[in-house]
Amino acid sequence: GQNIDQPTEMTATEGAIVQINCTYQTSGFNGLFWYQQHAGEAPTFLSYNVLDGLEEKGRFSSFLSRSKGYSYLLLKELQMKDSASYLCAVENGATNKLIFGTGTLLAVQP
Amino acid sequence: DAGVIQSPRHEVTEMGQEVTLRCKPISGHDYLFWYRQTMMRGLELLIYFNNNVPIDDSGMPEDRFSAKMPNASFSTLKIQPSEPRDSAVYFCASSLGLEGSETQYFGPGTRLLVL
Repeated sequence: GQNIDQPTEMTATEGAIVQINCTYQTSGFNGLFWYQQHAGEAPTFLSYNVLDGLEEKGRFSSFLSRSKGYSYLLLKELQMKDSASYLCAVENGATNKLIFGTGTLLAVQP
Repeated sequence: DAGVIQSPRHEVTEMGQEVTLRCKPISGHDYLFWYRQTMMRGLELLIYFNNNVPIDDSGMPEDRFSAKMPNASFSTLKIQPSEPRDSAVYFCASSLGLEGSETQYFGPGTRLLVL
């Protein structure tokens, strides 16, 4: 079967660091994506991991452990504009289809 | 490039009516995807096309849903007849490829409300 779990909501303070976790179970694995989705808008690509380790891109970093079925998205120096939903998506290795989690709604407070 | 274009942006209709959603993918992208997003189920893949050919429609809820891609720059998702439980945001996305790091680019979505 396929299952992706991430927290429903998180709250953090402007300027701080927040880590959004994602665990997954999938039949076949071909990479993990993180997307950002502001309210009322389309999801936009943030990061892609296929090998274990940390990928850094500016204020955002994404980590993957394939053996543990685990990923996290790390957001540093939080800004108010980072308030959004963050979607974890796993590419099924057998079908190449993206399976999305239900998303983590992050609220950044002053 | 203008990105993925969808129309209409909002649609309100009555139960039993036919609804047609439209999508123009990014030029040069060989793959087109239709997704549905709800609070309860998140983002779900309905169907995807490769070079205008439907490849996997296993996510289409039932026979009331149909999708076509008559050419490389246009696709439609049709619901006939529509039901209140079809109310959701429908996204179209396109990508250059399917495997690995090929990113899917999403359109702005169509917000459908069936009364």
